[in-house]
Amino acid sequence: KNEVEQSPQNLTAQEGEFITINCSYSVGISALHWLQQHPGGGIVSLFMLSSGKKKHGRLIATINIQEKHSSLHITASHPRDSAVYICAVSIQGAQKLVFGQGTRLTINP
Amino acid sequence: KAGVTQTPRYLIKTRGQQVTLSCSPISGHRSVSWYQQTPGQGLQFLFEYFSETQRNKGNFPGRFSGRQFSNSRSEMNVSTLELGDSALYLCASSFEGTNTEAFFGQGTRLTVV
Repeated sequence: KNEVEQSPQNLTAQEGEFITINCSYSVGISALHWLQQHPGGGIVSLFMLSSGKKKHGRLIATINIQEKHSSLHITASHPRDSAVYICAVSIQGAQKLVFGQGTRLTINP
Repeated sequence: KAGVTQTPRYLIKTRGQQVTLSCSPISGHRSVSWYQQTPGQGLQFLFEYFSETQRNKGNFPGRFSGRQFSNSRSEMNVSTLELGDSALYLCASSFEGTNTEAFFGQGTRLTVV
């Protein structure tokens, strides 16, 4: 079983819909990262969380440390949000990121 | 503020050759991490350097090595290339390590033929 599991693996939605991507992990962490990767490979950091909730524009990220679960929400989704979203955890006590398999999001106009 | 710069962007090598990839972090960042991304395995951690010291290494063979210089620039080397080493190699810089915000380079796409 992978240490970081994301769901769903693929998600297709219509413009304007509310999107939720989930991440569960089974190890002790010092931080959780949400990353965005567009075709071509570049990765952008969206959020880094160690507790609670963060909001940036239409994006919201939450983490529940007790349940070892995080969610990334996109409100009023837009075709430009189409990308792969990756959850990564920083392993407690080790300078190492472990990644989920990614969620491929497609937003249709 | 300049971002993370990786060179070269694309590379084609032959089996058995060696390759060196370079990563220049954001000014002031002392941590550089390297990752391999393949369609089958996804993103995997290679190693992390902080102030010229390797603090952690992933489960890769000894053919994969790296180093960090006093200006925080980092290089990774792969010797005796195999077809399976074809991948996108990404580096990320951060202020203190993987528990601080990571800034990724555009990656080096290595093709081994």
